[in-house]
This record gives sequence, structure tokens and C-alpha cells, in this order.
Amino acid sequence: HVQLVQSGAEVKKPGSSVKVSCKASGGALYTYAINWVRQAPGQGLEWMGGVTPIFGSARYSQKFQGRVTISADESSSTAYMELTGLTSDDTAVYYCASPPQYSGTFHFDYWGQGTLVTVSS
Amino acid sequence: EIVLTQSPGTLSLSPGERVTLSCRASQSVSGNYLAWYQQKPGRAPRLLIYGASSRASDVPDRFSGSGSGTDFTLTISRLEPEDFAVYYCQQYGTSLTFGGGTKLEIK
Repeated sequence: HVQLVQSGAEVKKPGSSVKVSCKASGGALYTYAINWVRQAPGQGLEWMGGVTPIFGSARYSQKFQGRVTISADESSSTAYMELTGLTSDDTAVYYCASPPQYSGTFHFDYWGQGTLVTVSS
Repeated sequence: EIVLTQSPGTLSLSPGERVTLSCRASQSVSGNYLAWYQQKPGRAPRLLIYGASSRASDVPDRFSGSGSGTDFTLTISRLEPEDFAVYYCQQYGTSLTFGGGTKLEIK
């Protein structure tokens, strides 16, 4: 089983950017499809996008297209999610999540612990 | 984008009861690629069901999923105290979207 460990909480100013990391252990990063899901306080889950390192390409939710970049660094077994143009509406817990190895599907068996990003002036 | 509507928003039930949660899609879910998750406060979601009816690893058999096309259900045959949580459906047949969730609370 892969374990996903995320970076710590962040406090950001409106208009700035945030980059959250997700380190995979227990399996080669390129064998997993790392996705990002966020959850605003008291709200539901929202898919942002994902990357399958073995294919080298990322896909994004239309809502975040142009504002989010998801990448992966195989050498450090770490995936990243960068979100720009932050507003208070981006205050949320951000999760990385992955289906099983080589599964080619997008139900998420594995989840990181979540990273709280607070956007406040 | 496929919109998933979960109903009801909140359910108040007692341990031992049987419950069925609904997830309705705005258009047919390709391949019946529909998953269910359980989430407890302060925790990451946990996968329960994928492919509409396949149980994930280590999920008790009191959880079952069914449905096809646009209508899907999650059934918990006999509620245990640890089952009181929020449940989300997710479709991954056409891009990826989540439902708004159903909160299961203790009566």
C-alpha cells in the first residue's frame, strides 16, 4: 500500500499562491495517479485535478483550469499542487488521493492526511 | 459536467437500523463508475464502494452498493455506532465529480 504524507498548514494572503506537497512511500510514484481534492469548511468534496506520472500529463477540473498546476517529481516521490490567485473562497483542506497502482481508474483508495490552507488578509 | 444529487441531506437513525442512501446523476454514469466514501470529522474520506457495487478492502459486508445509469444506492444493512458519518458518492466515468453528501446522525 502507498502512504501519502502531505506538507503542513499554510496561511496565505489574497492574491498569492500556495504549493502543497504529497510524498508517496511504499511504491514508486509513477505507478500511481495522484489527484487533488479540496474541502471548504463545512462543505463537500471538490475534485481539482490529477496527474499520472507514468504518462506525464495532468488533467484539471474546468473550474480550476488556468489557476492550478499539478506536477510530480519522481526523484523525491513527491507530487505537488500549486494554486494561484488565492481568495478567501480557497480556504479549505486540500487532500491528495490516489487509486491503486496501475489501476487506470479514478476511485481513491489512498488519501493523504490533508493540508489546511487559510487565505486571509 | 455530471451533477450528483444525494438525498436526503441528513438522516437521523438508531444503531441496528437499515439505511439506504441515494445518489442521482444528471446524466448516465459511463461504465457505472460510481464510488461511495465515508468521512468522519477531521478525517480524510474512506473508500467504501467502487464500480457501483464492489466493496473496497476491509469494508464490512454490511455495506453494499447497487444501481446503474443515473440512480445509485448505498445500503447499510445494520447500523453500527461507528457508521454515523457523512457519505459521499463520486462518479469517475466522465471527468470526476462528487455529490453533496448525506449526513447520518444518531437519533
